[in-house]
Amino acid sequence: GQNIDQPTEMTATEGAIVQINCTYQTSGFNGLFWYQQHAGEAPTFLSYNVLDGLEEKGRFSSFLSRSKGYSYLLLKELQMKDSASYLCAVSYNTDKLIFGTGTRLQVFP
Amino acid sequence: EAGVVQSPRYKIIEKKQPVAFWCNPISGHNTLYWYLQNLGQGPELLIRYENEEAVDDSQLPKDRFSAERLKGVDSTLKIQPAELGDSAVYLCASSRTREGTQYFGPGTRLLVL
Repeated sequence: GQNIDQPTEMTATEGAIVQINCTYQTSGFNGLFWYQQHAGEAPTFLSYNVLDGLEEKGRFSSFLSRSKGYSYLLLKELQMKDSASYLCAVSYNTDKLIFGTGTRLQVFP
Repeated sequence: EAGVVQSPRYKIIEKKQPVAFWCNPISGHNTLYWYLQNLGQGPELLIRYENEEAVDDSQLPKDRFSAERLKGVDSTLKIQPAELGDSAVYLCASSRTREGTQYFGPGTRLLVL
């Protein structure tokens, strides 16, 4: 299988930092995507990691460790509008993108 | 650049009725995907097209679901007959190449009564 595991729910306070973890099976790994999905809306692309290390893009950063089958999405200076589901998705050699169930993040004032 | 367009946004039908969804991908994107998303779950691939060819339809329930992309641009997904368990959001996505980043449309929210 190609199970992708991420926490179901997380909560955080406005202005804080939150890290959303994702683990996956490494066999056949091509790359890893993070998407943001607000309730009732389409997933929107946040980041793509194919090499080990940290990719920073404004308040959002994504990290990948290929050997450990591990990634995280780091959100800094949280805003209320960051309340959404965050989907970890892995591309495998089959050209298929496998999505995790998503982490529902709630940001409180 | 216009995004992926889907219609209708919402559809309510009675079980055993047919239903069809339409998708117009981003211009120049050769690869088109149909996904199903249940509440609280991630999207699950139903079918992937490379131009007009369906290259991965292994997850498509072919007894009731069908799809087409006749000219390699727009696509339709059909369910006939619909069942209660088909209630979900149907997402269309496209990418420039099969390895490229997928961009999603707003989805069609289907409710089968």
